[in-house]
Amino acid sequence: GAVVSQHPSWVICKSGTSVKIECRSLDFQATTMFWYRQFPKQSLMLMATSNEGSKATYEQGVEKDKFLINHASLTLSTLTVTSAHPEDSSFYICSAFLADSLGDTQYFGPGTRLTVL
Amino acid sequence: QQQVKQSPQSLIVQKGGISIINCAYENTAFDYFPWYQQFPGKGPALLIAIRPDVSEKKEGRFTISFNKSAKQFSLHIMDSQPGDSATYFCAAPDGGSTLGRLYFGRGTQLTVWP
Repeated sequence: GAVVSQHPSWVICKSGTSVKIECRSLDFQATTMFWYRQFPKQSLMLMATSNEGSKATYEQGVEKDKFLINHASLTLSTLTVTSAHPEDSSFYICSAFLADSLGDTQYFGPGTRLTVL
Repeated sequence: QQQVKQSPQSLIVQKGGISIINCAYENTAFDYFPWYQQFPGKGPALLIAIRPDVSEKKEGRFTISFNKSAKQFSLHIMDSQPGDSATYFCAAPDGGSTLGRLYFGRGTQLTVWP
């Protein structure tokens, strides 16, 4: 149980275009999802907290107009990178929060590799 | 300020050896301590987690040891295997208004030589 999927797993786009990444909790409902960015050999950098039915909360330094987050249902959150540039190239990972027997646990998706040419 | 401090940054262990990764925290309100395992190009996967009401939790070859007074917890991998080669992250919950938010350590890259 507690499976999170992401789509696409990788994407290559031209500079200036927008890219949408989907994050789905497959077997549970998640009122809260998180979006991370990860650079090679570095830790997870939290970009924003996505709450179903309300506006996302962005971390300091993250441009909310560039990284649009929508959490339209209890199983789906989307991250849209608008007007992407090469510096946006990175590994984007989502997670979904589930309060289960283990504790307040985040279950991660497999990640999306974005390359902007 | 880093909420969770993890060491070492990298670790090389021979097959069959014991791998030990340490984490320290400051916020005594933290009440849940998960460890994640991440392979290259993949998302992190929950490996094992502990609550502070116990001092140790074991699942197969993986053990978390927790020292509440020292505000430290560690991951021990017994009989380390090449397949354990990955990056390991410790984490602790926000403890604030953002339910489910975790603070992550910087990660430990483990390499197990055959």
